[in-house]
Amino acid sequence: SQQGEEDPQALSIQEGENATMNCSYKTSINNLQWYRQNSGRGLVHLILIRSNEREKHSGRLRVTLDTSKKSSSLLITASRAADTASYFCATDVTQGKLIFGQGTELSVKP
Amino acid sequence: DADVTQTPRNRITKTGKRIMLECSQTKGHDRMYWYRQDPGLGLRLIYYSFDVKDINKGEISDGYSVSRQAQAKFSLSLESAIPNQTALYFCATSDPSGGRTDTQYFGPGTRLTVL
Repeated sequence: SQQGEEDPQALSIQEGENATMNCSYKTSINNLQWYRQNSGRGLVHLILIRSNEREKHSGRLRVTLDTSKKSSSLLITASRAADTASYFCATDVTQGKLIFGQGTELSVKP
Repeated sequence: DADVTQTPRNRITKTGKRIMLECSQTKGHDRMYWYRQDPGLGLRLIYYSFDVKDINKGEISDGYSVSRQAQAKFSLSLESAIPNQTALYFCATSDPSGGRTDTQYFGPGTRLTVL
């Protein structure tokens, strides 16, 4: 069964708008990671947040983690057409094993 | 990521055939993983290996086997392919040594179609 559930499954926005994706999980984690996948390509790591962290920033990305609610969110600010991709959360629940969510498909229209 | 390569990139085969997918990496990582991706289901872990002598089953290992020939090479075999193994297969590596986290680096994927 999937550990991570992502919401929404699909998101369509205009360039310049912010995009927010959410991830919920079921068990305790060591860290939570976000990956991006362009259509049919390999996943690329974006950002990692440890279980003892609440917020982390990287460029236009902001990740939050609420371990009490077992949820995380990824915010992409000032989105660009090039941000169009699928975004996956992945939870590190045991050493070295990631469990991926089903992904959010983001479409940014010029 | 060019440091993780997969061959072949595309493969069409028939039910019952034996298929091997290969993964090579130049990152010097000890840990390697095989995943499959199906539409709407995200990635699911098939097998993983933390070093050359270590092989572990993942979530969906039935119908698959692996071989870790060297630190840099990790192969996935389908002994007798069936149509529901049609999917996109990814290899990944990681290296948590030296205090680093288990960020994974993915290959470009192999699209396998079983007729």
